[in-house]
Amino acid sequence: AAGVIQSPRHLIKEKRETATLKCYPIPRHDTVYWYQQGPGQDPQFLISFYEKMQSDKGSIPDRFSAQQFSDYHSELNMSSLELGDSALYFCASSSTGFTDTQYFGPGTRLTVL
Amino acid sequence: AQKVTQAQTEISVVEKEDVTLDCVYETRDTTYYLFWYKQPPSGELVFLIRRNSFDEQNEISGRYSWNFQKSTSSFNFTITASQVVDSAVYFCALSEEGNYGGATNKLIFGTGTLLAVQP
Repeated sequence: AAGVIQSPRHLIKEKRETATLKCYPIPRHDTVYWYQQGPGQDPQFLISFYEKMQSDKGSIPDRFSAQQFSDYHSELNMSSLELGDSALYFCASSSTGFTDTQYFGPGTRLTVL
Repeated sequence: AQKVTQAQTEISVVEKEDVTLDCVYETRDTTYYLFWYKQPPSGELVFLIRRNSFDEQNEISGRYSWNFQKSTSSFNFTITASQVVDSAVYFCALSEEGNYGGATNKLIFGTGTLLAVQP
């Protein structure tokens, strides 16, 4: 069965640079979620989109923005990167009309030097 | 406020032992959803089970079983005859009913329990 695809899987950036993380949900899933997991921590909700509209927002820094496109893929844009942004970023997807369980992608490991 | 507590930070067992991971939750909603996810050393988050607040029936799937008790706000997870491949961090999570119905709301995770199964 198709799973959530995230790219890139690993990303190394310098402080103050920008990064773009991409997420391709499971086919026919209409909701996308982004989570951030720091080292040794639990995943923290950042933002979600339902049918291309922002549906909820968590503790996402103003330096981050995200959107969901017409093909339902989503991108998380991160600017002015800080050392503390180093983390594992997960995308999850679900379907309101079928199964609303959130299935997670493999994650993007971002390292800020 | 929503909160998930996993009091056990680390558990170490020897292969073939049974082990129970505890999860206690707090929510004001009457409709909510509980989940368990497994995070092996490779890092991905693997869905294990979902339970809604109206279904207190316990579930068994192979060596895994879950005990949901609304009276104590607990959703505990038992692995029978543990194996080395069970070594991972296990997260319990809570989702209140989403704006569009169902479990489409954000997940609130507990801090996780690191299970180490020794051969």
